[in-house]
Amino acid sequence: GQNIDQPTEMTATEGAIVQINCTYQTSGFNGLFWYQQHAGEAPTFLSYNVLDGLEEKGRFSSFLSRSKGYSYLLLKELQMKDSASYLCADMDSNYQLIWGAGTKLIIKP
Amino acid sequence: IAGITQAPTSQILAAGRRMTLRCTQDMRHNAMYWYRQDLGLGLRLIHYSNTAGTTGKGEVPDGYSVSRANTDDFPLTLASAVPSQTSVYFCASSVLAGDVNEQFFGPGTRLTVL
Repeated sequence: GQNIDQPTEMTATEGAIVQINCTYQTSGFNGLFWYQQHAGEAPTFLSYNVLDGLEEKGRFSSFLSRSKGYSYLLLKELQMKDSASYLCADMDSNYQLIWGAGTKLIIKP
Repeated sequence: IAGITQAPTSQILAAGRRMTLRCTQDMRHNAMYWYRQDLGLGLRLIHYSNTAGTTGKGEVPDGYSVSRANTDDFPLTLASAVPSQTSVYFCASSVLAGDVNEQFFGPGTRLTVL
């Protein structure tokens, strides 16, 4: 079976750091994606991890532990424009993406 | 056009009517997808196509059909719309080569079935 879990909503302060967690249970795992989706807009790609460890890309970093079925997205120096939903998705053995329900991140000044 | 486009942007439809949502990409991606997104739920795959001429069923295919006559176009048809098909529909495409399957999304179609 396949199941993706991530928190429904998180709140953080402008300028701070926030970590959004994602756990997955997938047969035939082929990688973990993070997407950003602003309200009323389409999802846009943020990161992809297939090997264990941390991938850093500017203010955003993504971490993967395959043995634990766990990933997180780390956002540093939060800006108001980072207010969005963050979607975790894993790629199954057929190279299809299985999506979590998304984490709504609210940034307060 | 650049990227992936969808039409219409939004639509209100009477139950029982037939409706086709259009999706076109100019990136020469071989794979295309249709998702629906409902509040509190993740993106759910309706149908997909890994290459022109082939299609496959996703997680929630009932009530929907697709065709892939060429690389660029991937229309989604609701043969007889029902209120439970009220949703935001996203079309996406990807290269589907090697190990990475980064998907690029269209702007979405907001469909209301009354």
